[in-house]
Amino acid sequence: DIQMTQSPASLSASLEEIVTITCQASQDIGNWLAWYQQKPGKSPQLLIYGATSLADGVPSRFSGSRSGTQYSLKISRLQVEDIGIYYCQQASSAPWTFGGGTKLELK
Amino acid sequence: EVQLQQSGAELVRPGTSVKLSCKVSGDTIIAYYMHFVKQRPGQGLEWIGRIDPEDDSTKYAKKFKNKATLTADTSSNTAYLKLSSLTSEDTATYFCTTGPTGYYFDYWGQGVMVTVSS
Repeated sequence: DIQMTQSPASLSASLEEIVTITCQASQDIGNWLAWYQQKPGKSPQLLIYGATSLADGVPSRFSGSRSGTQYSLKISRLQVEDIGIYYCQQASSAPWTFGGGTKLELK
Repeated sequence: EVQLQQSGAELVRPGTSVKLSCKVSGDTIIAYYMHFVKQRPGQGLEWIGRIDPEDDSTKYAKKFKNKATLTADTSSNTAYLKLSSLTSEDTATYFCTTGPTGYYFDYWGQGVMVTVSS
């Protein structure tokens, strides 16, 4: 199975700050990576797919990038509504696997 | 717009089984691979498996092969997850999810909480 190692596990940031979350794949997954945001008591929401493509309705302050087998989610100017837990997910091969999550809090 | 409506919360006894439903509206279920994801309280997301309702083919994560059974009913546009031999480790919220590509999860059900307790 492909392992997705996500870091950091938690992150505290100020409003308007730039935030970066990373995910390391245990093997080559190409661009088969997605990012999700989950708020307390809610279902996850797709933010980024194909490593860099923004899902419909997602604010442009979110962006995704790839360097080899390392993937990053960047929030360019943190807003209050961005607080939650973020997960990466590989879709290269079954079983689909998720990173352990990053809990993003306001400083 | 595609929407996924899941069945209600369940309180079940250890050793028994439970069958959860996920009804698709806004499109035909045969257009999508239907996936199910487990989330234990305060924990991350875990992929259980997926079914292709067009031919009933399934794929499961190894750890769920003897635990979960996925089925689909195209006449009612509904996918099902059956969990058997329940233990406290199965206490979790279970989500159904899907998307146009079959690989990314654009649409999610609201989740159903399953509590295993005597």
